[in-house]
Order: sequence, then C-alpha cells, then structure tokens
Amino acid sequence: DAGVIQSPRHEVTEMGQEVTLRCKPISGHDYLFWYRQTMMRGLELLIYFNNNVPIDDSGMPEDRFSAKMPNASFSTLKIQPSEPRDSAVYFCASSPRRRNTEAFFGQGTRLTVV
Amino acid sequence: ILNVEQSPQSLHVQEGDSTNFTCSFPSSNFYALHWYRWETAKSPEALFVMTLNGDEKKKGRISATLNTKEGYSYLYIKGSQPEDSATYLCAFHNNNDMRFGAGTRLTVKP
Repeated sequence: DAGVIQSPRHEVTEMGQEVTLRCKPISGHDYLFWYRQTMMRGLELLIYFNNNVPIDDSGMPEDRFSAKMPNASFSTLKIQPSEPRDSAVYFCASSPRRRNTEAFFGQGTRLTVV
Repeated sequence: ILNVEQSPQSLHVQEGDSTNFTCSFPSSNFYALHWYRWETAKSPEALFVMTLNGDEKKKGRISATLNTKEGYSYLYIKGSQPEDSATYLCAFHNNNDMRFGAGTRLTVKP
C-alpha cells in the first residue's frame, strides 16, 4: 500500500475562492482524521470519521469548512470561501482497529490563501 | 465521544532538563494506547504502541509507561534536546472507538 495519499501537496489560492483538499486512506482502515497545523494555533483536530460516518466535527472552525467521506477510499475537506487565516498545513490520517498498529498520516497539504 | 486529555497543553524546558507529560483516558474497555511525535510541517512519527497494563517502552531518551486501571500514560524525555521540540500526541483505543488527545506542545530552549 502506498500509505495515506493527500492531494494536492501545495495549494495557493486567492481569498474568496473554494478550496478542496483530498485524502485517500489506507485500504481497510476504519478511521479517518483531518488535522490542521499552524505555528500560531499548533495542532487542531478538525473532524474524524469511523467507517465513513462523521463522529466528531467539533473542531471544524466554522461553517465555511465541510468534510465528506462518500466511501471508504476517499475523503474531502472543503473550504468555501477561503480566507488568509485558513493558511496552514492540513494533514489526513487513517487508522485500523488493530491494537498493535498505529495510525498513518499523509504528507500534508500546505495551503496558502493570499 | 471518548474523553482523552493530555497535560500540560504546552511545556517549555531548558536543554538538558528531563520532562514528562500525561495522557489520561477512560479506564474501562481499554484496547490500546499509542504515542506519536509530531514536528511542525512533518508527518507524525509513531513512538510507542502500548497494550498491557504496566507496559514500559523505551526509545533512546524517550520512555513511556501505562496504567490502564487508573487510566493514564506518562511520556518521559530524559535530557531534553532542542530537536525534541514537537507536539506529542496520544491516541486511545477502546473496544468500539478511538480518540486522539489534543497533544502536548514541547519547546526545548538551547
């Protein structure tokens, strides 16, 4: 397996535009997490899914953010409209239910909103 | 929703100091606890996978202990170095669900 795949790796967009980040988890993993990392705010859990169902989205900053997981192999995080303060590195992670296996993280998408 | 808490939220220490922080979790239906080290703008690194009460794991200057009966795990760093600066995450698994803590952000000053 190629691991957790995120796309794009880098995204530069203008304020007000819609941004869609994509994540392909490892096949067979039950959980999927979206994190945001900035220097100012540190690490924030935005939302996580269990078997494609959103379990906790309390970390989603506001209504401009939405996340979907239409099937077990794909998730999106959408920001509409984007703002400069959304600039961050967004990570996706997936995890199996097996106790001896850790979660795997993607390489992240660096988003810059100008 | 599971309640997994990490404390402190952030920590500043001097190079050479030893330090420790805590991950607290529900003591019932324990399944596993994982520790991760997450440097800014990099993918996290898995440090330890702990499954048994009383587990003690060590990796270089970093070690962890597990108490499932009282619901906590400690992560220790001996002789902190600037390169240890990172956010340390724990992830708790029970029989039905899993949850990450919010992390402890460690800064080691030279």
